[in-house]
Amino acid sequence: DTEVTQTPKHLVMGMTNKKSLKCEQHMGHRAMYWYKQKAKKPPELMFVYSYEKLSINESVPSRFSPECPNSSLLNLHLHALQPEDSALYLCASSQDQDFGELFFGEGSRLTVL
Amino acid sequence: EDQVTQSPEALRLQEGESSSLNCSYTVSGLRGLFWYRQDPGKGPEFLFTLYSAGEEKEKERLKATLTKKESFLHITAPKPEDSATYLCAVRGGQNTGGFKTIFGAGTRLFVKA
Repeated sequence: DTEVTQTPKHLVMGMTNKKSLKCEQHMGHRAMYWYKQKAKKPPELMFVYSYEKLSINESVPSRFSPECPNSSLLNLHLHALQPEDSALYLCASSQDQDFGELFFGEGSRLTVL
Repeated sequence: EDQVTQSPEALRLQEGESSSLNCSYTVSGLRGLFWYRQDPGKGPEFLFTLYSAGEEKEKERLKATLTKKESFLHITAPKPEDSATYLCAVRGGQNTGGFKTIFGAGTRLFVKA
């Protein structure tokens, strides 16, 4: 069982919809991450939150908007996405941003029609 | 530029046939090299962390080693359940936002009974 929980597991949305992906961890970790993964490709870093503050944004389009309401929760708000944004979105956490392994959730499979 | 290269892209083994996967890296200020296992449609699962050249870690049939330029994941007498994609990742680099974890493209391992 993973200690990082992501919801929903699957999401289908149109290009005009607004939806959100949610992630929760209760390991006391102070860094949380969003990665995007296309089929047969490695995970690509999107955002890093360290101590609830956005520390890294890998030049992600503004149609993706991250939010970290508290140290246990991480959201990714989606708006006006494109079909090429269809992918597996992975949330991860680590003890902090400098050290420690990443613990991943099972991912949210997003399909944009 | 920080980079992680894994080889081979795919590896097919017979059950019991030992082999090694390679991960070559260039990163400024290594803050850890990580091995993950990823099953189809799931998030990566942490296996090992290595911090310094000469370090070795073992877990069941897997053994990870580290030099200043590369890491190896040795698989001894693999079983079909070892079939998965094995990802190598490094944390380091110089970024005003902090260190980040970069993944290699992975090696897809197939073990036939």
